[in-house]
Amino acid sequence: DQQVKQNSPSLSVQEGRISILNCDYTNSMFDYFLWYKKYPAEGPTFLISISSIKDKNEDGRFTVFLNKSAKHLSLHIVPSQPGDSAVYFCAASTGNQFYFGTGTSLTVIP
Amino acid sequence: ETGVTQSPTHLIKTRGQQVTLRCSSQSGHNTVSWYQQALGQGPQFIFQYYREEENGRGNFPPRFSGLQFPNYSSELNVNALELDDSALYLCASSLGSPNLSEQYFGPGTRLTVT
Repeated sequence: DQQVKQNSPSLSVQEGRISILNCDYTNSMFDYFLWYKKYPAEGPTFLISISSIKDKNEDGRFTVFLNKSAKHLSLHIVPSQPGDSAVYFCAASTGNQFYFGTGTSLTVIP
Repeated sequence: ETGVTQSPTHLIKTRGQQVTLRCSSQSGHNTVSWYQQALGQGPQFIFQYYREEENGRGNFPPRFSGLQFPNYSSELNVNALELDDSALYLCASSLGSPNLSEQYFGPGTRLTVT
């Protein structure tokens, strides 16, 4: 069963605009959420995280929002840059169990 | 500071064979997790090792087994390979509590089972 879902396989955004990547989860026991970025032929790279006790976490151009009632997570990238083009995975954890979504391929058009 | 490394990069095996994949953790990290990423899917958690003991396991059969060594490097062993085992295998290391979720991934080993 897919406990973490990313329903948009791909997203294209103009450089300078906002990119919004979405993620939904089903398990209310998840207490920590993360976003990873992956370039071809490389492993995923940690980007930003948020604990379930918060609803927002910001790091530079990246902001993660958590809506626990909707079991929804989103990543905002502002402004988007061509170097942000990659596959983005959301992930959730409870204890030492980790679940990843299927990824969203972001293309930032110069 | 060296990052997470994995070997080999690519591997081709025949159904029924056994395979061992290797991972060297980032310097100072004492926790390693293994993931299987099938084509078009996200990484699926196989298991985690913390200070040489298995510390959590995903929904994978017992023919997937692992080891962590005193230097915190790790192996993933898969017996009786099946065609569906073809995937990218990722290891990730982290520091401190096994619950710490900020993991550093290696580039992966691409396994093809024919």
